[in-house]
Amino acid sequence: AQSVTQLGSHVSVSEGALVLLRCNYSSSVPPYLFWYVQYPNQGLQLLLKYTSAATLVKGINGFEAEFKKSETSFHLTKPSAHMSDAAEYFCAVSRKAAGNKLTFGGGTRVLVKP
Amino acid sequence: EAQVTQNPRYLITVTGKKLTVTCSQNMNHEYMSWYRQDPGLGLRQIYYSMNVEATDKGDVPEGYKVSRKEKRNFPLILESPSPNQTSLYFCASSPAGRGAGDTQYFGPGTRLTVL
Repeated sequence: AQSVTQLGSHVSVSEGALVLLRCNYSSSVPPYLFWYVQYPNQGLQLLLKYTSAATLVKGINGFEAEFKKSETSFHLTKPSAHMSDAAEYFCAVSRKAAGNKLTFGGGTRVLVKP
Repeated sequence: EAQVTQNPRYLITVTGKKLTVTCSQNMNHEYMSWYRQDPGLGLRQIYYSMNVEATDKGDVPEGYKVSRKEKRNFPLILESPSPNQTSLYFCASSPAGRGAGDTQYFGPGTRLTVL
């Protein structure tokens, strides 16, 4: 069975500072990896995804994530936080053998301080 | 506009009163799925459907039913709701039933409270 662990349920950053959200996965075979963002009272929106092409993936709104197989990690970063980045972020994994099911981490809520 | 819609967005009901949450997508997607979101647990899959008349259980199917009679619709049915089904529910769809790398598109969510 695959699982996803997000370290830190809440992260507080200052506007303009680096945003780093950690995600580790467990899977017996290389998975597909996703980061989704959820703004207040909205559904989930895809930020980026890794599908076995380049290990450094660039997404929307200046976010990027690096797939590190040796560390089973897929951490999400943004060099400079903006107030509009305040949201909850979810890391998720899926495997071909499991159909299209997304297995999510517990989520990390980001607070951006002015 | 390509979208997944859910209705109702908010629902308060009482234990045992049957309810249906509708989900519809206008993108001609084969794959549809229901998730529930609970604090600290992320989203967990309830049921999914690879195509019309093809549904299967996810990780937390107890107390729920689904049907897929048309490609665009995937209703979630709670025959006898209980307070532990109080949650935020999301419907999602994606273009291919067996492509695990496909992006899933989520609806806006339905907040259900069972008293």
